[in-house]
Amino acid sequence: DAKTTQPNSMESNEEEPVHLPCNHSTISGTDYIHWYRQLPSQGPEYVIHGLTSNVNNRMASLAIAEDRKSSTLILHRATLRDAAVYYCITDTILSSGSARQLTFGSGTQLTVLP
Amino acid sequence: NAGVTQTPKFRILKIGQSMTLQCTQDMNHNYMYWYRQDPGMGLKLIYYSVGAGITDKGEVPNGYNVSRSTTEDFPLRLELAAPSQTSVYFCASSHRSGTGGTGEQFFGPGTRLTVL
Repeated sequence: DAKTTQPNSMESNEEEPVHLPCNHSTISGTDYIHWYRQLPSQGPEYVIHGLTSNVNNRMASLAIAEDRKSSTLILHRATLRDAAVYYCITDTILSSGSARQLTFGSGTQLTVLP
Repeated sequence: NAGVTQTPKFRILKIGQSMTLQCTQDMNHNYMYWYRQDPGMGLKLIYYSVGAGITDKGEVPNGYNVSRSTTEDFPLRLELAAPSQTSVYFCASSHRSGTGGTGEQFFGPGTRLTVL
């Protein structure tokens, strides 16, 4: 399974953009890239996902490098509620072929400063 | 919609005891998953199911069993609990998980299990 590498922690000021980087150099051509976030004592929450093209939704944007070996999650205006652990994840077909597996890394703890 | 619900929220077990963690989803999702999360780490897949009656092992299945008799329920059974199974357990479900990617997985609030 493709492994992801993220910085352990990052800080941002409130109302400024945040760029969260992720390396996934061993990703295969059929692996999707997902981002989830997790608040303390809660389950992970879906943020965004993509395969090759950049993606936008109401929460964030996902920029995927042309060689797909890295990606960046962009929060356009950080708020205090965005403080969480952000996981960059690869979405890989399981050996059974019947489903896919999300492989979580260790995540980046984002602190948002008022 | 309640989404994905898990019970209990917390549990303390003694070594060698057994228990069942309950998971229910009301979104009519075919795909369901059990993960464990150790302190400071990401989630690891224990078991998954692609529909009622069909389950398969994930990355860390040893010491656990699952069943899927209905679309809604996916219980996780711990037999002979060990301290290494102290963790937070999350159940999740998704609408799809195939060629087009998994899409969004919906997670429950988790069960915090301590084995002493």
